[in-house]
Amino acid sequence: AQTVTQSQPEMSVQEAETVTLSCTYDTSENNYYLFWYKQPPSRQMILVIRQEAYKQQNATENRFSVNFQKAAKSFSLKISDSQLGDTAMYFCAFMKLLTGANSKLTFGKGITLSVRP
Amino acid sequence: KAGVTQTPRYLIKTRGQQVTLSCSPISGHRSVSWYQQTPGQGLQFLFEYFSETQRNKGNFPGRFSGRQFSNSRSEMNVSTLELGDSALYLCASSPSVGRDTGELFFGEGSRLTVL
Repeated sequence: AQTVTQSQPEMSVQEAETVTLSCTYDTSENNYYLFWYKQPPSRQMILVIRQEAYKQQNATENRFSVNFQKAAKSFSLKISDSQLGDTAMYFCAFMKLLTGANSKLTFGKGITLSVRP
Repeated sequence: KAGVTQTPRYLIKTRGQQVTLSCSPISGHRSVSWYQQTPGQGLQFLFEYFSETQRNKGNFPGRFSGRQFSNSRSEMNVSTLELGDSALYLCASSPSVGRDTGELFFGEGSRLTVL
């Protein structure tokens, strides 16, 4: 079974600054996806960024980037130039990679990020 | 393209009753999965349906069930409601064809309160 751990329940960052959210996971699988999802208050969860475990290059999406350390089973999210709209709960999630057949995500507990004006 | 639609958005039930929640996936998506979100337990996987068949099941009691119709719409049912079933129930869809990206597209959820 897989586990995902987000040890920081809350973080706060000043607008325009950079913040890093931590995530560790445990699995015996070799092929998998890792995700960061964002859940704004009272709004639907959306994908922030995705990383395939077989890719050594860290994923980036505009202001969002990850630091993926496969051996250490660590997957942190860096948000640069934080904006007020980044205020949300952020979930780290794991999915086994199965050809054509899998939609089961294992989530961490989440971290509440507040961006201060 | 319309997103994932869940109905009802809010509902209140009493202990012992049953409830049915509905989810319409994004057009063309064949996989629908359900998650329960509570402050204490976080997000937990309930089950996943693909082509009207349950493909994965989480660790929930038999009171939780679901089904998927030929148009990929899905329903989940909770019978004999308990106070602990109060939660936000999220539905997610994905294309799930071949080696897709793994991204799930979530609905806004159905918030169930059990009194």
